[in-house]
Amino acid sequence: TQLLEQSPQFLSIQEGENLTVYCNSSSVFSSLQWYRQEPGEGPVLLVTVVTGGEVKKLKRLTFQFGDARKDSSLHITAAQPGDTGLYLCAGSPPGSNYKLTFGKGTLLTVNP
Amino acid sequence: NAGVMQNPRHLVRRRGQEARLRCSPMKGHSHVYWYRQLPEEGLKFMVYLQKENIIDESGMPKERFSAEFPKEGPSILRIQQVVRGDSAAYFCASSPQSSGWKDNQPQHFGDGTRLSIL
Repeated sequence: TQLLEQSPQFLSIQEGENLTVYCNSSSVFSSLQWYRQEPGEGPVLLVTVVTGGEVKKLKRLTFQFGDARKDSSLHITAAQPGDTGLYLCAGSPPGSNYKLTFGKGTLLTVNP
Repeated sequence: NAGVMQNPRHLVRRRGQEARLRCSPMKGHSHVYWYRQLPEEGLKFMVYLQKENIIDESGMPKERFSAEFPKEGPSILRIQQVVRGDSAAYFCASSPQSSGWKDNQPQHFGDGTRLSIL
């Protein structure tokens, strides 16, 4: 069974600060996705990374896929209260691209 | 521009009753995936269906759980003789084709059904 460990589990910061959250595994994934989930709602896809070493930017969010395709990070610059939410990473194992394995998430709170 | 629609949003059942959860995929999507999110746990894959076919049900409990995606109508996740441990949020996702990343076919999630067993 492939597992994704996310850290930290909880993160509370002030508006304007920078932060990085991590998603690690001992297994290789063919791709990794980052989602954000609000209370009472479903996960919303932020980005997909496919190539080892790949870096993608989405406004103030920077996503990186590790060279060995076993880990990923999400960096947020100048966090805003609207960034508050549960950040989930999900990986697709080789050969079963549809079967997403999710981490438990990092719950981010950005205080004004 | 309707997304994935799940209903009901909240469902309360007593032990031993049946629970039926419905999922209408996004327009033009013919692939449906069900996930379960237990308290304090990440989302866990349950089953992958195409119209009238179960492709992979490796994440489904062997007993009491079944899923279908008929030619017409929504996908249904059915839980018979529910027990307290079935209490969870059940999420459905859909994609236009098989969710292969080379083809850039991400899964779009609904807002889930919160099932509570009394």
